[in-house]
Amino acid sequence: DTAVSQTPKYLVTQMGNDKSIKCEQNLGHDTMYWYKQDSKKFLKIMFSYNNKELIINETVPNRFSPKSPDKAHLNLHINSLELGDSAVYFCASSQDASRGEQFFGPGTRLTVL
Amino acid sequence: AQSVSQHNHHVILSEAASLELGCNYSYGGTVNLFWYVQYPGQHLQLLLKYFSGDPLVKGIKGFEAEFIKSKFSFNLRKPSVQWSDTAEYFCAVIPSGTYKYIFGTGTRLKVLA
Repeated sequence: DTAVSQTPKYLVTQMGNDKSIKCEQNLGHDTMYWYKQDSKKFLKIMFSYNNKELIINETVPNRFSPKSPDKAHLNLHINSLELGDSAVYFCASSQDASRGEQFFGPGTRLTVL
Repeated sequence: AQSVSQHNHHVILSEAASLELGCNYSYGGTVNLFWYVQYPGQHLQLLLKYFSGDPLVKGIKGFEAEFIKSKFSFNLRKPSVQWSDTAEYFCAVIPSGTYKYIFGTGTRLKVLA
């Protein structure tokens, strides 16, 4: 059973489009995260939700909007995609937001043409 | 601003060589420390973690790390690397009282067979 799953695995789209990436965890964790990994492998946190409440909201363009319908899901919606949005987006979850190990999903490789 | 530095960006070793990857953080208070590994094409997985107690931490696959508080360091070591250790290694820190994981820029390790 996959602990943290993301869909889709690959996403190729044109500039200006709107797209969503979905994430689900079946670990019963309270906290979920979105990270962006750029072409140089630099990993930067974008958002975090704890029990459906936003607890981390880093400096990202407001074209990016997270949505957590319940504790097990955290989706990422991106409006008006730009070339610079091309990256691998990782979802993660942890039981304890302040100290816990994070379990990562397989990543979604987004390519904006 | 809090940051995590990994000085070695690329490391190439022969099998059976010893490994030490540096990690330094900039935060004066208590921290929780982690090392993650990302094998080619895969998601991040936890290697080891330090919260408190013995500063020498043993992880999976023969890895260990030593927390030296006075040096703000948490270096990763392995006495004898294998070809299968080829991967990207990330150090991460959570400053106490925060929810924010701060990742280092990663070290790409290539082990030659």
